[in-house]
Amino acid sequence: EAGVTQFPSHSVIEKGQTVTLRCDPISGHDNLYWYRRVMGKEIKFLLHFVKESKQDESGMPNNRFLAERTGGTYSTLKVQPAELEDSGVYFCASSRFGVGSNTEAFFGQGTRLTVV
Amino acid sequence: AQSVTQPDIHITVSEGASLELRCNYSYGATPYLFWYVQSPGQGLQLLLKYFSGDTLVQGIKGFEAEFKRSQSSFNLRKPSVHWSDAAEYFCAVGPTGGFKTIFGAGTRLFVKA
Repeated sequence: EAGVTQFPSHSVIEKGQTVTLRCDPISGHDNLYWYRRVMGKEIKFLLHFVKESKQDESGMPNNRFLAERTGGTYSTLKVQPAELEDSGVYFCASSRFGVGSNTEAFFGQGTRLTVV
Repeated sequence: AQSVTQPDIHITVSEGASLELRCNYSYGATPYLFWYVQSPGQGLQLLLKYFSGDTLVQGIKGFEAEFKRSQSSFNLRKPSVHWSDAAEYFCAVGPTGGFKTIFGAGTRLFVKA
């Protein structure tokens, strides 16, 4: 079974440009999460999809960030326009269930975004 | 406020030596606790988790962690470290496995020969 895959693994863009990150969850996982780790700090929750619906997007930093999950399969996270402080590692995770003690989220390898 | 503190930014141990990584948390409800590891170029991998029951939890790769409610701690241990254990380790707390999990800042482990 394939794990959570993220594209690209690295991205270097200039301030003001647009970048789109993609996440392919494990097949059959309705729940998809985006997290971000900035400058070696803690990994922070961005948002949670259940299928194609945004269950919680309270962690999204501002309106320059747009996440979508059309069709309830893969998800994209677009940053437009990118700012220097957006640099960091963006993790995607997926889980079969959203709540409950038997829930485990599986993480992708992350996309390292550098804004220069 | 809910938070996870990993006091050690980095730790260096000799191969074969024992390891303990510290984790303290602040969480209003009964926590679910996790340890993840990230090796270079890899994603976050779940080492172990605590939901309830026995406070000593066994995980993969020979790791274990002990939940101490009185100390709000969930320290990770391994009796004998291997060079392949060099990685970054994250303690996390949450209501479930993925939804709004709160992570610590991570502890980077270096293993010397």
